[in-house]
Amino acid sequence: GAVVSQHPSRVICKSGTSVKIECRSLDFQATTMFWYRQFPKKSLMLMATSNEGSKATYEQGVEKDKFLINHASLTLSTLTVTSAHPEDSSFYICSASTAYYNEQFFGPGTRLTVL
Amino acid sequence: RKEVEQDPGPFNVPEGATVAFNCTYSNSASQSFFWYRQDCRKEPKLLMSVYSSGNEDGRFTAQLNRASQYISLLIRDSKLSDSATYLCVVNQKSSGDKLTFGTGTRLAVRP
Repeated sequence: GAVVSQHPSRVICKSGTSVKIECRSLDFQATTMFWYRQFPKKSLMLMATSNEGSKATYEQGVEKDKFLINHASLTLSTLTVTSAHPEDSSFYICSASTAYYNEQFFGPGTRLTVL
Repeated sequence: RKEVEQDPGPFNVPEGATVAFNCTYSNSASQSFFWYRQDCRKEPKLLMSVYSSGNEDGRFTAQLNRASQYISLLIRDSKLSDSATYLCVVNQKSSGDKLTFGTGTRLAVRP
């Protein structure tokens, strides 16, 4: 199957700082990338869908100015959590898909802890 | 009502047992159905797609009942390595390729 990487795998930051998470499709070109958030013992919640070269589509309740998504190439999407606060601490997971594969391939996730 | 509902468990079973998980979904327009497996602090991994005719992959059997909007997963001859959270996932093509995840059912297989 296709491989998706995420970096960093874990980040601890102070309240008020911004954190950038990268999601890369390593061996295929991802026309669409998805960003999810998962709180402990909860399901994955879709935050936004991004298509290469266009603005991301955010789910209801997700602030686009707080969670900046950039999908500049077919292999890279970034999520920036701006002015992070402790309530933003969560497991952030990206996935990538392409019309060729009928499934989404998930990255290993980034665990964000905001102090 | 949640879009995808699952019994959170945990299901605590001995090795070799057969265990079944159920899932219901609310949107009748849903078109694709999956079971994913998620280990603690890891990303979800596709276990199998679910088809109306039912499908089997080794010890795993998935069933879909569109009329009842119900999906099931049967695991036979449980192994210790099957211990994980099993996520029921639904895709409504009408909303793009967005996946909707259930909260998962936790399985613990004991020796």
